[in-house]
Amino acid sequence: DAGVIQSPRHEVTEMGQEVTLRCKPISGHNSLFWYRQTMMRGLELLIYFNNNVPIDDSGMPEDRFSAKMPNASFSTLKIQPSEPRDSAVYFCASSLLSLAGPRGAQDTQYFGPGTRLTVL
Amino acid sequence: DQQVKQNSPSLSVQEGRISILNCDYTNSMFDYFLWYKKYPAEGPTFLISISSIKDKNEDGRFTVFLNKSAKHLSLHIVPSQPGDSAVYFCAASAGKGGATNKLIFGTGTLLAVQP
Repeated sequence: DAGVIQSPRHEVTEMGQEVTLRCKPISGHNSLFWYRQTMMRGLELLIYFNNNVPIDDSGMPEDRFSAKMPNASFSTLKIQPSEPRDSAVYFCASSLLSLAGPRGAQDTQYFGPGTRLTVL
Repeated sequence: DQQVKQNSPSLSVQEGRISILNCDYTNSMFDYFLWYKKYPAEGPTFLISISSIKDKNEDGRFTVFLNKSAKHLSLHIVPSQPGDSAVYFCAASAGKGGATNKLIFGTGTLLAVQP
């Protein structure tokens, strides 16, 4: 089975440029999460979607960041304009939220390999 | 404000000995806890979890202990193996009745198991 797929794996761009990160969740999962990993703050949740609807975007650092989920199998995280402090590894994760299911299955998230973003 | 804290950024252990990774949390609403393991250039992978109704959960060499009164959990790895060398993240959830499955992660502990 394919896991969570992220592209690109590496992105190097110049300050001021637009950056788009892409994610394909595990088929059948209905929750999708975007995280940013930094040394200082560890894994920070940026935004998450349930059934393609954004539920909590309180972690999105600034208006320069936006995320969309047009359908159940695709999501994007866009940074416009990018800044050097945005350099980090960005992870996408998915899970299956089911009110009828066991608690553990709801909470376990499956991560993609990440996109390493470098903004010069 | 860090709701989930891993105060040891790194830990070094000899192969065959026990590794103990610690995690503290501040939010009393958290009722489900998970440990994730992360190798370089890969995404975190789920390792083991525990519900707040339990104080221990075991899976092979991995055991997680939960002390709710102290708001503390720990991951024990016995015996430690060189392949266990990775960053370990503690995570917590307050998804009452499945209303949400948002996880709050700690900053991670880098475990190095020396052969």
